[in-house]
Amino acid sequence: KQEVTQIPAALSVPEGENLVLNCSFTDSAIYNLQWFRQDPGKGLTSLLLIQSSQREQTSGRLNASLDKSSGRSTLYIAASQPGDSATYLCAANGSSNTGKLIFGQGTTLQVKP
Amino acid sequence: DAGITQSPRYKITETGRQVTLMCHQTWSHSYMFWYRQDLGHGLRLIYYSAAADITDKGEVPDGYVVSRSKTENFPLTLESATRSQTSVYFCASSETVINTEAFFGQGTRLTVV
Repeated sequence: KQEVTQIPAALSVPEGENLVLNCSFTDSAIYNLQWFRQDPGKGLTSLLLIQSSQREQTSGRLNASLDKSSGRSTLYIAASQPGDSATYLCAANGSSNTGKLIFGQGTTLQVKP
Repeated sequence: DAGITQSPRYKITETGRQVTLMCHQTWSHSYMFWYRQDLGHGLRLIYYSAAADITDKGEVPDGYVVSRSKTENFPLTLESATRSQTSVYFCASSETVINTEAFFGQGTRLTVV
């Protein structure tokens, strides 16, 4: 059974710092991994999708990497801003039939001005 | 407006009542999903649908019913609401099952009293 873990559960950094959020998964047989952002009381906003054949994806200040063999993905945020404060969720898709996503518990990020 | 919308955003209902949560997407995505988000459990799949008139159970389907008569709509019904169904419910859609992002609605916060 796939399990997805995100460490740390919470992170507080000063504005401008580069940071890395971690996501690990127990079953390397995934089709893709997706990173989401969730603001308090809001829905999930898709940030990046990494296919199993890819090593990384970039969007603006965000860079996500995927290492299937070690069961890890990282989300790198460059030059963090207070507006980056949110909960970040990773989700692994291991089913070609359902598209079911297995989510981690999330990392809550606070960027202080 | 393009996207995926859920209604209502907030709902309070009594134990034993039937309640329906609505989900509508404008992209004509084939796949649609219902997740619930709870503290300590994260997001878990309730039901999914691969196309109109094709639905199947996810991880936590007990007490829920879905239908999909039209591609764009995927309502979730709680047949007889229980307090354990107090949660935030998210609808999602994706164009394909493994190659494209999943997009989420804003969520419905349901309280069963």
